[in-house]
Amino acid sequence: EVHLLESGGGLVQPGGSLRLSCAASGFTFSSYAMSWLRQAPGRGLESVSSIISGGGATTYYADSVKGRFTISRDNSKNTLYLQMNSLRAEDTAIYYCARDAKVFDSWGQGTLVTVSS
Amino acid sequence: DIVMTQSPDSLAVSLGERATINCKSSQSVSYSSNSKNYLAWYQQKPGQPPKLLIYWASARESGVPDRFSGSGSGTDFTLTISSLQAEDVAVYYCQQYYSTSITFGQGTRLEIK
Repeated sequence: EVHLLESGGGLVQPGGSLRLSCAASGFTFSSYAMSWLRQAPGRGLESVSSIISGGGATTYYADSVKGRFTISRDNSKNTLYLQMNSLRAEDTAIYYCARDAKVFDSWGQGTLVTVSS
Repeated sequence: DIVMTQSPDSLAVSLGERATINCKSSQSVSYSSNSKNYLAWYQQKPGQPPKLLIYWASARESGVPDRFSGSGSGTDFTLTISSLQAEDVAVYYCQQYYSTSITFGQGTRLEIK
């Protein structure tokens, strides 16, 4: 059974940084592209960033986070990361990691990031 | 970016009745070369992550009840629940994956009348 577990969320001041992690199990992690998506409180879904399978040389970022967020993966640890810098109030959301086959067929439970002074 | 617009924003349907949710894309999400529609549907229940229901506009994900069906092509798509059950109360989202910049509809809240 596919299992994705996010961690690293919390309260951070505007301009601060956080690193999210997503521990994967139940499938061959290195063989799948992975994505981070987010959902602001009471709002819809937004694709934030994605990384291809294997070495992850190719990445994608939403315009809203480009230059501030960095996605990476460690296949030896079956873990996906999202380094978030220069955080803004509008980044406040639940962040989900998901297995990415262009459709998202497995999701974690999410981790809440709150950006506030 | 391709803009996905769902209608209605909310819907109340009686148990056992049909529920229909529409999704319109700002440009075609279909490739003529393979006749595939790059459109998926998700269900999100309160406090839970989204769950994939339908992909390629009409292919049901494994384990999804057959009362859920998807249809449409080009720019206009529909999710139909043939006989609403209490456990179907949720927000439903469409998503296009035609473009590298994946986008979702704003969601449709489905409730019991």
